[in-house]
Amino acid sequence: GAVVSQHPSRVICKSGTSVKIECRSLDFQATTMFWYRQFPKKSLMLMATSNEGSKATYEQGVEKDKFLINHASLTLSTLTVTSAHPEDSSFYICSAREGQTNTGELFFGEGSRLTVL
Amino acid sequence: GENVEQHPSTLSVQEGDSAVIKCTYSDSASNYFPWYKQELGKRPQLIIDIRSNVGEKKDQRIAVTLNKTAKHFSLHITETQPEDSAVYFCAASHQAGTALIFGKGTTLSVSS
Repeated sequence: GAVVSQHPSRVICKSGTSVKIECRSLDFQATTMFWYRQFPKKSLMLMATSNEGSKATYEQGVEKDKFLINHASLTLSTLTVTSAHPEDSSFYICSAREGQTNTGELFFGEGSRLTVL
Repeated sequence: GENVEQHPSTLSVQEGDSAVIKCTYSDSASNYFPWYKQELGKRPQLIIDIRSNVGEKKDQRIAVTLNKTAKHFSLHITETQPEDSAVYFCAASHQAGTALIFGKGTTLSVSS
C-alpha cells in the first residue's frame, strides 16, 4: 500500500513555543491530506483538510491561527502548532488518499506525540 | 455533517470466542466504511472495509456487514486470539476524497 511518513514522531517543547510537524506521501501524490488529533484513550478527531495549493479547511472549533496548515506540494503538508500550551499536548496524525485512484482507503502517518511542558 | 456512533466502548472475550462491534452513521450519502485496528502509540491500521454497493465482506476471521437502510454496519471477529486485543475504530466517508469520520472506538481484550 501507499506510504505516508510523519516527522517528528515525538517532540517535547516549552509552553509558548511553536512546533512544526511534517507529513509526506512517499510514493504517491496527495492533493488532499487530513490532520487528526487523538487524546489518550480517545478517538481520532478531524482537525482540518489540507488542500495542495489552497487554504486548509478547518473543522468547527479548531483555531486556524493556532494550528497553521501548509500544503505547498503534492507530497508534503505541514502542521504548525503556534504558541503551544500544555492543553495542546496530544497525538497528531496525518493521512492521505492516493490522488489518482478512488479506492477510498486512507493511509496514515506514524503520528507525532507532542508534549508541551 | 457525518456522525458515527460505536458500541460497545469495551469488550472482553475469551480466546476462541467471537466479537462483534457495531456502528451507526447519520449521513445517508456516506458510502465507504472502513474498520481500523490501533495498538497503543501506533498508527491506525486498516483491517477491512466495505462500500455501499455490497452488504457483506469477509477476510479470513474478519467480516463486515452493512445495512444501508438502517445506516449501520458491524465488525465480526471469529476465533479471537490474544493478539486481536487492541482498540478498533469504525469510520465513514464519502468515497470522493472527503475525510473519514471515526467512531469513539472499542477496546477489545481477548484473554487466554
